[in-house]
Amino acid sequence: NAGVTQTPKFRILKIGQSMTLQCAQDMNHNYMYWYRQDPGMGLKLIYYSVGAGITDKGEVPNGYNVSRSTTEDFPLRLELAAPSQTSVYFCASSYRTGQPQHFGDGTRLSIL
Amino acid sequence: DQQVKQNSPSLSVQEGRISILNCDYTNSMFDYFLWYKKYPAEGPTFLISISSIKDKNEDGRFTVFLNKSAKHLSLHIVPSQPGDSAVYFCAASAQTSYDKVIFGPGTSLSVIP
Repeated sequence: NAGVTQTPKFRILKIGQSMTLQCAQDMNHNYMYWYRQDPGMGLKLIYYSVGAGITDKGEVPNGYNVSRSTTEDFPLRLELAAPSQTSVYFCASSYRTGQPQHFGDGTRLSIL
Repeated sequence: DQQVKQNSPSLSVQEGRISILNCDYTNSMFDYFLWYKKYPAEGPTFLISISSIKDKNEDGRFTVFLNKSAKHLSLHIVPSQPGDSAVYFCAASAQTSYDKVIFGPGTSLSVIP
Protein backbone atom coordinates (compact mmCIF):
# COMPACT_ATOMS: atom_id res chain seq x y z
CA ASN A 1 0.00 0.00 0.00
CA ALA A 2 1.85 3.08 -1.27
CA GLY A 3 -0.08 5.78 0.62
CA VAL A 4 1.16 9.24 -0.44
CA THR A 5 3.92 9.27 -3.06
CA GLN A 6 5.99 12.36 -3.82
CA THR A 7 8.39 12.81 -6.71
CA PRO A 8 11.14 13.80 -7.06
CA LYS A 9 12.84 13.28 -3.69
CA PHE A 10 15.54 15.86 -4.42
CA ARG A 11 15.90 18.65 -6.94
CA ILE A 12 18.21 21.59 -7.53
CA LEU A 13 16.84 24.50 -9.54
CA LYS A 14 18.33 27.71 -10.81
CA ILE A 15 16.69 31.01 -9.97
CA GLY A 16 13.87 31.73 -12.41
CA GLN A 17 13.35 28.11 -13.49
CA SER A 18 10.02 26.41 -13.05
CA MET A 19 9.08 22.93 -11.97
CA THR A 20 6.22 20.78 -10.77
CA LEU A 21 6.33 18.70 -7.61
CA GLN A 22 4.20 15.62 -8.00
CA CYS A 23 1.97 14.09 -5.34
CA ALA A 24 -0.27 11.06 -5.67
CA GLN A 25 -2.30 9.13 -3.13
CA ASP A 26 -4.00 5.77 -3.49
CA MET A 27 -6.23 5.89 -0.41
CA ASN A 28 -9.20 7.56 -2.14
CA HIS A 29 -8.83 10.56 0.15
CA ASN A 30 -10.81 13.66 -0.66
CA TYR A 31 -8.54 16.14 1.07
CA MET A 32 -4.99 16.88 -0.02
CA TYR A 33 -2.44 19.39 1.25
CA TRP A 34 0.91 20.90 0.42
CA TYR A 35 3.25 22.08 3.18
CA ARG A 36 6.75 23.46 3.28
CA GLN A 37 9.15 23.01 6.16
CA ASP A 38 12.03 25.40 6.65
CA PRO A 39 14.91 24.55 9.04
CA GLY A 40 13.88 24.84 12.69
CA MET A 41 10.31 25.65 11.75
CA GLY A 42 7.06 23.79 11.70
CA LEU A 43 5.21 22.86 8.57
CA LYS A 44 3.40 25.72 6.87
CA LEU A 45 0.38 25.11 4.66
CA ILE A 46 0.78 26.31 1.09
CA TYR A 47 -2.42 25.10 -0.60
CA TYR A 48 -5.07 22.51 0.03
CA SER A 49 -7.88 20.82 -1.84
CA VAL A 50 -11.16 19.39 -0.56
CA GLY A 51 -11.85 17.44 -3.74
CA ALA A 52 -11.24 17.29 -7.46
CA GLY A 53 -11.58 20.74 -9.01
CA ILE A 54 -11.50 22.61 -5.68
CA THR A 55 -8.40 24.26 -4.25
CA ASP A 56 -7.78 26.96 -1.67
CA LYS A 57 -4.89 28.97 -0.28
CA GLY A 58 -3.11 28.20 2.95
CA GLU A 59 -0.73 30.35 4.98
CA VAL A 60 2.05 30.80 2.40
CA PRO A 61 0.62 30.49 -1.16
CA ASN A 62 2.66 33.20 -2.89
CA GLY A 63 4.89 31.87 -5.67
CA TYR A 64 3.01 28.58 -6.00
CA ASN A 65 0.10 27.19 -7.97
CA VAL A 66 -1.87 23.97 -7.68
CA SER A 67 -4.47 22.02 -9.58
CA ARG A 68 -6.63 19.04 -8.68
CA SER A 69 -8.03 17.38 -11.78
CA THR A 70 -8.34 13.93 -10.18
CA THR A 71 -8.88 12.60 -6.66
CA GLU A 72 -5.48 10.92 -6.71
CA ASP A 73 -3.14 13.71 -7.88
CA PHE A 74 -2.31 17.12 -6.47
CA PRO A 75 0.71 18.70 -8.22
CA LEU A 76 2.40 21.84 -6.91
CA ARG A 77 3.88 24.24 -9.46
CA LEU A 78 6.67 26.76 -8.94
CA GLU A 79 6.67 29.20 -11.85
CA LEU A 80 9.69 31.42 -11.16
CA ALA A 81 11.90 29.75 -8.57
CA ALA A 82 13.41 32.04 -5.94
CA PRO A 83 16.01 31.25 -3.24
CA SER A 84 13.33 31.80 -0.58
CA GLN A 85 11.57 28.71 -1.90
CA THR A 86 14.45 26.46 -0.86
CA SER A 87 12.72 24.10 1.54
CA VAL A 88 11.42 20.60 2.11
CA TYR A 89 7.97 20.14 0.65
CA PHE A 90 5.47 17.66 2.04
CA CYS A 91 2.24 16.49 0.51
CA ALA A 92 -0.47 15.02 2.71
CA SER A 93 -3.97 13.63 2.44
CA SER A 94 -6.93 12.82 4.65
CA TYR A 95 -10.30 11.19 4.10
CA ARG A 96 -12.25 14.14 5.44
CA THR A 97 -11.73 17.35 7.29
CA GLY A 98 -10.53 17.14 10.86
CA GLN A 99 -8.94 13.73 10.44
CA PRO A 100 -5.22 13.13 10.89
CA GLN A 101 -3.27 13.54 7.70
CA HIS A 102 -1.07 10.98 5.94
CA PHE A 103 2.17 12.44 4.67
CA GLY A 104 4.53 11.62 1.84
CA ASP A 105 8.27 11.46 2.47
CA GLY A 106 8.92 14.92 1.09
CA THR A 107 10.77 16.65 -1.74
CA ARG A 108 13.95 18.48 -0.82
CA LEU A 109 14.25 21.49 -3.13
CA SER A 110 17.26 23.80 -3.40
CA ILE A 111 17.22 26.94 -5.51
CA LEU A 112 20.58 28.44 -6.33
CA ASP B 1 3.77 35.29 15.28
CA GLN B 2 3.81 31.62 16.27
CA GLN B 3 0.37 30.35 17.23
CA VAL B 4 1.77 26.97 18.29
CA LYS B 5 4.98 26.96 20.29
CA GLN B 6 7.30 24.20 21.35
CA ASN B 7 9.89 25.96 23.42
CA SER B 8 12.25 23.03 23.83
CA PRO B 9 14.08 22.37 20.56
CA SER B 10 15.56 19.18 21.98
CA LEU B 11 15.18 16.72 24.83
CA SER B 12 17.30 13.77 25.99
CA VAL B 13 15.87 10.98 28.14
CA GLN B 14 17.19 7.67 29.40
CA GLU B 15 15.56 4.53 28.06
CA GLY B 16 12.76 3.37 30.35
CA ARG B 17 12.13 6.81 31.83
CA ILE B 18 9.29 9.22 31.04
CA SER B 19 9.56 11.71 28.18
CA ILE B 20 7.46 14.86 28.49
CA LEU B 21 7.11 17.10 25.47
CA ASN B 22 5.38 20.43 25.90
CA CYS B 23 3.36 22.62 23.59
CA ASP B 24 1.69 26.02 24.08
CA TYR B 25 -0.80 27.75 21.85
CA THR B 26 -2.10 31.30 21.65
CA ASN B 27 -5.29 31.00 19.58
CA SER B 28 -8.27 30.35 21.86
CA MET B 29 -10.27 29.13 18.84
CA PHE B 30 -8.14 25.99 18.57
CA ASP B 31 -10.18 22.98 19.67
CA TYR B 32 -8.42 20.00 18.12
CA PHE B 33 -4.81 19.09 18.78
CA LEU B 34 -2.54 16.48 17.29
CA TRP B 35 0.95 15.13 17.77
CA TYR B 36 3.01 13.90 14.83
CA LYS B 37 6.30 12.04 14.92
CA LYS B 38 8.94 12.44 12.24
CA TYR B 39 12.02 10.38 11.49
CA PRO B 40 14.81 11.80 9.26
CA ALA B 41 14.10 11.63 5.52
CA GLU B 42 10.50 10.58 6.16
CA GLY B 43 7.22 12.42 6.37
CA PRO B 44 5.46 13.05 9.69
CA THR B 45 3.24 10.26 10.97
CA PHE B 46 0.21 10.79 13.17
CA LEU B 47 0.69 9.76 16.77
CA ILE B 48 -2.23 10.87 18.94
CA SER B 49 -4.87 13.58 19.09
CA ILE B 50 -7.16 15.24 21.61
CA SER B 51 -10.32 17.28 21.32
CA SER B 52 -10.93 20.26 23.57
CA ILE B 53 -13.86 18.47 25.21
CA LYS B 54 -11.33 16.16 26.86
CA ASP B 55 -8.36 16.82 29.10
CA LYS B 56 -6.59 13.51 28.54
CA ASN B 57 -6.25 10.91 25.82
CA GLU B 58 -4.23 7.75 26.10
CA ASP B 59 -2.94 5.29 23.51
CA GLY B 60 -0.57 2.66 24.79
CA ARG B 61 2.64 4.31 25.95
CA PHE B 62 1.48 7.72 24.74
CA THR B 63 -0.74 10.11 26.69
CA VAL B 64 -1.67 13.64 25.76
CA PHE B 65 -2.86 16.09 28.41
CA LEU B 66 -4.70 19.31 27.60
CA ASN B 67 -4.99 22.30 29.91
CA LYS B 68 -7.33 24.72 28.13
CA SER B 69 -7.12 27.48 30.69
CA ALA B 70 -3.34 27.56 30.34
CA LYS B 71 -3.47 26.91 26.58
CA HIS B 72 -0.98 24.13 27.14
CA LEU B 73 -0.72 20.51 26.14
CA SER B 74 1.88 17.87 26.79
CA LEU B 75 2.77 14.48 25.39
CA HIS B 76 3.96 11.83 27.84
CA ILE B 77 5.80 8.75 26.63
CA VAL B 78 6.17 6.00 29.23
CA PRO B 79 8.42 4.09 29.11
CA SER B 80 10.63 5.76 26.56
CA GLN B 81 12.35 3.51 24.03
CA PRO B 82 15.26 4.18 21.65
CA GLY B 83 12.87 3.85 18.71
CA ASP B 84 11.01 6.89 20.05
CA SER B 85 13.96 9.07 19.06
CA ALA B 86 12.47 11.44 16.50
CA VAL B 87 11.17 14.97 16.05
CA TYR B 88 7.73 15.50 17.56
CA PHE B 89 5.42 18.16 16.17
CA CYS B 90 2.48 19.59 18.05
CA ALA B 91 -0.34 20.79 15.77
CA ALA B 92 -3.65 22.55 16.28
CA SER B 93 -6.75 23.47 14.33
CA ALA B 94 -10.06 25.22 14.86
CA GLN B 95 -13.60 24.07 14.15
CA THR B 96 -13.97 26.98 11.74
CA SER B 97 -11.32 25.41 9.52
CA TYR B 98 -9.98 22.00 10.48
CA ASP B 99 -8.10 21.88 7.19
CA LYS B 100 -5.82 24.74 8.21
CA VAL B 101 -3.63 22.92 10.70
CA ILE B 102 -0.96 24.99 12.43
CA PHE B 103 2.23 23.17 13.34
CA GLY B 104 4.73 23.96 16.03
CA PRO B 105 8.48 23.99 15.24
CA GLY B 106 9.06 20.55 16.74
CA THR B 107 11.04 19.00 19.58
CA SER B 108 13.82 16.54 18.82
CA LEU B 109 13.70 13.68 21.32
CA SER B 110 16.72 11.46 21.90
CA VAL B 111 16.20 8.34 23.99
CA ILE B 112 19.54 7.10 25.27
CA PRO B 113 19.93 3.33 25.73
